[in-house]
Amino acid sequence: GENVEQHPSTLSVQEGDSAVIKCTYSDSASNYFPWYKQELGKGPQLIIDIRSNVGEKKDQRIAVTLNKTAKHFSLHITETQPEDSAVYFCAASSGGTSYGKLTFGQGTILTVHP
Amino acid sequence: GAGVSQTPSNKVTEKGKYVELRCDPISGHTALYWYRQSLGQGPEFLIYFQGTGAADDSGLPNDRFFAVRPEGSVSTLKIQRTERGDSAVYLCASSLEGGDEQFFGPGTRLTVL
Repeated sequence: GENVEQHPSTLSVQEGDSAVIKCTYSDSASNYFPWYKQELGKGPQLIIDIRSNVGEKKDQRIAVTLNKTAKHFSLHITETQPEDSAVYFCAASSGGTSYGKLTFGQGTILTVHP
Repeated sequence: GAGVSQTPSNKVTEKGKYVELRCDPISGHTALYWYRQSLGQGPEFLIYFQGTGAADDSGLPNDRFFAVRPEGSVSTLKIQRTERGDSAVYLCASSLEGGDEQFFGPGTRLTVL
């Protein structure tokens, strides 16, 4: 089955700096890669996603890049703000009978210091 | 509009008891998913419904766990003979169709004493 590795496990930055979180996946059939933000006591919130037919996607301060050959994808947050502090999860999904089943990384605790 | 809702938000039970966790998906979403999240970990897939049928139940840990979605909307996750190791946050998500963006509910925190 799919295996997703996420790094780093914790990330501390100053307000205004950029933050980068990286994930690798094992199943070459995976074709959908969402990123979720989870705040304490809440469910994961989808912040951006990318499908395998594109290499990069951007939404304001957030961008995701995908390298299918190397089987890795990354989340980039620019101009970080204290409210970006949360746990971030990457995930991967493939087709077939498991279409829609997400395999998550272990999470990155992002702390943005004012 | 209304998001995914889950009830109860917290459930405390004793080892060996039976529990039911409910999920109300976003209206019109045909796909529904259950995940389990242990402290400090990412969510782990349990089961995926497309309509009323379980399209993939490969994540259910054993036969004490069962889920239903009889009318293709609300789903119930049922756990028999609960064990302390079942303690976790149980998350439900829904999407318009299988493979589309999944939207998560707030979860039910289950504690087995």
